Amino acid sequence: KAGVTQTPRYLIKTRGQQVTLSCSPISGHRSVSWYQQTPGQGLQFLFEYFSETQRNKGNFPGRFSGRQFSNSRSEMNVSTLELGDSALYLCASSRELGGNTIYFGEGSWLTVV
Amino acid sequence: SQQGEEDPQALSIQEGENATMNCSYKTSINNLQWYRQNSGRGLVHLILIRSNEREKHSGRLRVTLDTSKKSSSLLITASRAADTASYFCATDRGGSYIPTFGRGTSLIVHP
Repeated sequence: KAGVTQTPRYLIKTRGQQVTLSCSPISGHRSVSWYQQTPGQGLQFLFEYFSETQRNKGNFPGRFSGRQFSNSRSEMNVSTLELGDSALYLCASSRELGGNTIYFGEGSWLTVV
Repeated sequence: SQQGEEDPQALSIQEGENATMNCSYKTSINNLQWYRQNSGRGLVHLILIRSNEREKHSGRLRVTLDTSKKSSSLLITASRAADTASYFCATDRGGSYIPTFGRGTSLIVHP
């Protein structure tokens, strides 16, 4: 069965622009969560969606937002990009909300210049 | 703030040797998980151990959990060059199931 798919894998944006990242969870998984990974901060939880509703949110500014569609696919958006937003953005899915094991995609590498 | 912290930050061994990584955490947990990340890739789930368990095995992996010391260890036996990766522990915090990750141990296995 296909794993978590994230697109695009790599992208370069300019400060001030906005970016949208996409995530398709494993078939049958209804919970999608997003993480930001940087060398300085490690893996930081962004938010979690289930049944098209944001259920949990990490400590990130409002420039970071997301949504989930009826087919469980999810997108996250970062507006007014800053250099510090350069990171690997990881999407993970689990079968249910609070699923003990989450399965990660390969991530989207964002570079802000 | 980080809930779990791995130790050592980096580990370099020869193929065939055992590799041991430790994870310490601060607050009570329901479960603890270990993940592996190859350079620039996503994380792969290795093993989950619940707070009422003391030891679990999966192939060449052995995980122990000591809730009194708030620590866990991951042992990889007979390591291979393909085990070269970063290893992360992830814990939930009491009352929240969201896994919080440590900064990881970077393991290099020399052939």
